Amino acid sequence: GEDVEQSLFLSVREGDSSVINCTYTDSSSTYLYWYKQEPGAGLQLLTYIFSNMDMKQDQRLTVLLNKKDKHLSLRIADTQTGDSAIYFCAESAILTGGGNKLTFGTGTQLKVEL
Amino acid sequence: DTEVTQTPKHLVMGMTNKKSLKCEQHMGHRAMYWYKQKAKKPPELMFVYSYEKLSINESVPSRFSPECPNSSLLNLHLHALQPEDSALYLCASSHGLAQETQYFGPGTRLLVL
Repeated sequence: GEDVEQSLFLSVREGDSSVINCTYTDSSSTYLYWYKQEPGAGLQLLTYIFSNMDMKQDQRLTVLLNKKDKHLSLRIADTQTGDSAIYFCAESAILTGGGNKLTFGTGTQLKVEL
Repeated sequence: DTEVTQTPKHLVMGMTNKKSLKCEQHMGHRAMYWYKQKAKKPPELMFVYSYEKLSINESVPSRFSPECPNSSLLNLHLHALQPEDSALYLCASSHGLAQETQYFGPGTRLLVL
């Protein structure tokens, strides 16, 4: 099947904005998610967007959704060294028995340099 | 509180050992999940429990045996594992209704010798 695609690596200077892109595959996904994973840790939910929205802003985070192109992006304003991590987008499919199945993107390693 | 806890944090086991991974949440969530994550890769779904019943098994080998004793607990029993099973095992939970945001635990890092 098709993969949820992300660019592998992004390097930015501290204080700049970071934009992480994701191309997803399932146009019926109700919610799309962004997770952050620091080295040796689990996944931290950053934000999510409902499929009938184009944009969602949450403090330093802005999510843009283009359903026509199946394109999702995460913008981090004023990027800090603590933002260095792997970022995963995920599309969601509701399971008939309850719960949902997340299909994750390939992950983007964000490196923030001083 | 959106905390999912997992024990142990690290586990080293031989191929003939039997061990168990544990996951717990007290958010009243009725769906719980096991994922396997290899280094530099995204998590891969293994099992889904909904209302304490196994609803999804993603063709996982029988040497992995999940168990959901109650709505707050999820176990993963391990037996006769192979070195390629070494990975980070992540547990997650979600409400079980329409808004299905999954909250993840910190994971158990497993090394099979």
